[in-house]
Amino acid sequence: AQSVSQHNHHVILSEAASLELGCNYSYGGTVNLFWYVQYPGQHLQLLLKYFSGDPLVKGIKGFEAEFIKSKFSFNLRKPSVQWSDTAEYFCAVTRSGNTGKLIFGQGTTLQVKP
Amino acid sequence: DAGVIQSPRHEVTEMGQEVTLRCKPISGHNSLFWYRQTMMRGLELLIYFNNNVPIDDSGMPEDRFSAKMPNASFSTLKIQPSEPRDSAVYFCASARQGWKDTQYFGPGTRLTVL
Repeated sequence: AQSVSQHNHHVILSEAASLELGCNYSYGGTVNLFWYVQYPGQHLQLLLKYFSGDPLVKGIKGFEAEFIKSKFSFNLRKPSVQWSDTAEYFCAVTRSGNTGKLIFGQGTTLQVKP
Repeated sequence: DAGVIQSPRHEVTEMGQEVTLRCKPISGHNSLFWYRQTMMRGLELLIYFNNNVPIDDSGMPEDRFSAKMPNASFSTLKIQPSEPRDSAVYFCASARQGWKDTQYFGPGTRLTVL
């Protein structure tokens, strides 16, 4: 079965530190990849997505992610985090086409200390 | 646009009672999704509608759960009878068309079954 693994369940960083959140998926075919963020008390919002083309994807708020097909990975990065980045981050994967199911990882809680 | 609207935002009920959750998708979006979020299982897709027709309901946990989409601007998720293990946050999301498009999430309904 298709699955998505987020290696870090809880990450604590100081402001200005660099961030990398891991995401690996198990499906071997062509995939669409997403990172969503859920700020405290708010609903899920899309950070960035990858469908095709340049494997380095730029998203909102300075986030980026790199799709490495050989490693089945789509890690999220940000060079310098801010306190306002404190949130829960979800990686999600679906197969290309209209019949795929969006599968979410378990989420990573990021706490940024001021 | 007001975004995806869900009601109620919070629901507390007793075991055995019927619960109805409501969702209004973004106008013009043809796809609607119901998700459930729990600490143990993370975010799970319950059901996916496209053009008001259920496409994938494989995530619906059991017969106690049912979902309808009588028109393009309204959907309900019903639990009858409710059980304590149904306690979770239920999210509705909509997209223009299918899995490939960005899903926009509502604020969620936090359900507590006593």
